Amino acid sequence: AQSVTQPDIHITVSEGASLELRCNYSYGATPYLFWYVQSPGQGLQLLLKYFSGDTLVQGIKGFEAEFKRSQSSFNLRKPSVHWSDAAEYFCAVGLRGSQGNLIFGKGTKLSVKP
Amino acid sequence: GAVVSQHPSRVICKSGTSVKIECRSLDFQATTMFWYRQFPKQSLMLMATSNEGSKATYEQGVEKDKFLINHASLTLSTLTVTSAHPEDSSFYICSASTQGHYGYTFGSGTRLTVV
Repeated sequence: AQSVTQPDIHITVSEGASLELRCNYSYGATPYLFWYVQSPGQGLQLLLKYFSGDTLVQGIKGFEAEFKRSQSSFNLRKPSVHWSDAAEYFCAVGLRGSQGNLIFGKGTKLSVKP
Repeated sequence: GAVVSQHPSRVICKSGTSVKIECRSLDFQATTMFWYRQFPKQSLMLMATSNEGSKATYEQGVEKDKFLINHASLTLSTLTVTSAHPEDSSFYICSASTQGHYGYTFGSGTRLTVV
């Protein structure tokens, strides 16, 4: 079955430390890939997306993600976390050739220690 | 470009009443709109897909008679929660797509509280 897995439910990092949030997908072909951030009580903000081409994608707020076909992964990274990055992060995939709906992972909650 | 607007952002209604949520594509014509639901501390789940001028397609387990979706124009889709009950309290969010634009642009969402 098609699925998106975010194996870490909750991650705590110190401010200034590096961050990596994991995302794996299970699909027959390479899907479109997305990372969103959601602050409490808020909507979704798109951090970055991958459709094709360069497998290292730069996003907003200093985030980047790397698509690794061999590992079916699209991990999100940030070299230095700020306290304002504390939020819920969702990985999502979209099937090529579909109408455009996304399938979301369960999310990873990021806490930042001062 | 590709802006999706959703209204209202918050609504509180009494049990048994109906609530309408609007999703608009502001700068493109959305042939397809998607409605998702997010329960507290959970992920987003697709509820239904609506194509302009045709009936919506509902995901398994979603009651089509409770969640009425209308996509009457290329820029507007509405979700009506009929006879709302407290268990319908949730965060509802829409996205829109068209030829050449995948459905990754979301509205700001609507937090529905049924009391």
